[in-house]
Amino acid sequence: EDQVTQSPEALRLQEGESSSLNCSYTVSGLRGLFWYRQDPGKGPEFLFTLYSAGEEKEKERLKATLTKKESFLHITAPKPEDSATYLCAVQENWDSSYKLIFGSGTRLLVRP
Amino acid sequence: NAGVTQTPKFQVLKTGQSMTLQCAQDMNHNSMYWYRQDPGMGLRLIYYSASEGTTDKGEVPNGYNVSRLNKREFSLRLESAAPSQTSVYFCASRGSAGTTYGANVLTFGAGSRLTVL
Repeated sequence: EDQVTQSPEALRLQEGESSSLNCSYTVSGLRGLFWYRQDPGKGPEFLFTLYSAGEEKEKERLKATLTKKESFLHITAPKPEDSATYLCAVQENWDSSYKLIFGSGTRLLVRP
Repeated sequence: NAGVTQTPKFQVLKTGQSMTLQCAQDMNHNSMYWYRQDPGMGLRLIYYSASEGTTDKGEVPNGYNVSRLNKREFSLRLESAAPSQTSVYFCASRGSAGTTYGANVLTFGAGSRLTVL
């Protein structure tokens, strides 16, 4: 069964303490992996798309990487405003349905 | 501001009541989606519409119906609400090449929190 697993479920960091979030997936053929950020009471907001193993994307303090079986979201010197739930999703096929499989997310809390 | 608008934001229903969640996007996207989000679980696809005039079932369609009213609007209907449908519902639309984020990126609404007693 295709699935996406995120770890840890929750992560508490001190401001400036770098860490990584993990997204592992088991799908027959990855077509794309997506990272989203979700703030409480809001919808997910797009961060990155990765398409092939070895690809990396960066945005401010965030860096996403992709291997054949997992993706990491590295957070360097986080600030309290980085506190949110981070979701990853994978797309298995290029077809009109565009069905994504979402992980359950990692809740990140950055304390000042 | 361009984006996806959902109404209502909050709703409380009694078991057996019906209601419709409304969704509209002003980004000229072809594809629209309805997801539900429950604690400890990932977003699960209920129904989607690849283009105006078409709708298809997702992972958890039972108890729901949808209407793609036009290119902008995609509604989700609960005909006879059950406590198991208590959830947060998100509507999303998918960008295409040349749009702000490019192809294959979902833009989500702010969500509709539904409680069924």
